[in-house]
Formats: sequence, C-alpha cells, structure tokens
Amino acid sequence: ILNVEQSPQSLHVQEGDSTNFTCSFPSSNFYALHWYRWETAKSPEALFVMTLNGDEKKKGRISATLNTKEGYSYLYIKGSQPEDSATYLCASLREKLTFGTGTRLTIIP
Amino acid sequence: KAGVTQTPRYLIKTRGQQVTLSCSPISGHRSVSWYQQTPGQGLQFLFEYFSETQRNKGNFPGRFSGRQFSNSRSEMNVSTLELGDSALYLCASSLGGARYEQYFGPGTRLTVT
Repeated sequence: ILNVEQSPQSLHVQEGDSTNFTCSFPSSNFYALHWYRWETAKSPEALFVMTLNGDEKKKGRISATLNTKEGYSYLYIKGSQPEDSATYLCASLREKLTFGTGTRLTIIP
Repeated sequence: KAGVTQTPRYLIKTRGQQVTLSCSPISGHRSVSWYQQTPGQGLQFLFEYFSETQRNKGNFPGRFSGRQFSNSRSEMNVSTLELGDSALYLCASSLGGARYEQYFGPGTRLTVT
C-alpha cells in the first residue's frame, strides 16, 4: 500500500446497530495513526492518536485498534446514535501526515 | 481555552490575484499545519511550521507559501491564483507537531473566478 485508504467510502447504519470501518496505510517508516470525526459545517475533531502496534483506544462508544505490522486500523462504533453521523478520517504519519478520503457514516433513525 | 481561528472565513478572488489567509492557533501550541481540501480529495498537506520554522512541505507548487510569527500565528499566501486553487483551506495547531492531536480551525473557503 502506497497511500492511506479507507473503506467503505460510505455507510448507512440503523440507529442502535454497531459498525466498523477500516483504514489501510503504508507500514514502513510508520510513526502514528490519527482518527478524526468531521461533522458537516464543523471542523475535524480528533478522536485518537495511536503509535504502538496493538494499541487499542476507547472514547465512550467509539474505539480503535492498530496493527502497524500489516498497516491497518479499525474504528468501531457501538450502538450507533444519530449524532454519530459524520465523515471519519484517518491519517498516517510518516514524513508528513497523510489523510485518507474518509468514510461517510449516516445513521438512520 | 479559545480554539483555532481562521480569517477570513470566505473569500472570492479572480484568477491571477494573490491571497493571504491567517490562522491563530490555540494558546501554547507551537505547531501550525495547513491543508487544502477539494471535492473528491482528502485533506492535502501543504506545510507545517514549528517555532517560526517550516518543518515539512507537501507537494504543492511554489505559488503556495507560508510563514509563522513569534506568537505562533501563521499566514498562508497563494500567488497567481488559478481556478483549481478553489478549495477549503484548513489550518490545524498542535502542541508539538504531527505526532500529537491536531486541532482544526473552521477553515477559509476560497473561490477563484
């Protein structure tokens, strides 16, 4: 993998369901992996910064894991709520911070 | 604590003109980074400044330049504007650079006609 890739591009989830999405990044010269939530008409908001292989971080109903050896991170949202609707961005730090194009999550009430 | 502020919020310019955008970081943050977002593209890294020095630069032409002042405020300048420069320009501040959480401003929406 040469770039930061996120999948899926978009996702519709029923309120109350859990969901997850993927960020793939180059595993060489890795320093850190960031996750951000970007709601419409707002600024991107930091969720997590992870640096170590096997890192797991949690904030409320949202958690993330990191595998630096194979170059991927998962973001999990448990019991989705309408306020979780946003675009979720990941970014990999090698020489510079490189962002993926995001996963657009829509929660259906 | 006040967040990152950017001015102006909206700007309309004509091809060939130049523009200066401003970013005031969170108090105590010494790193400021700039990003460009265009439809269909992720956030594209422009440059990062730390303590008035450019620490890193993205793959943008020399028409894009920046600077940081002693109070950590940063400006970005684009000369000889092209239609393709129309974008949302975001700045982000952090304590020490890209290993830390980035705090984003609201952005400047630049339209080039």
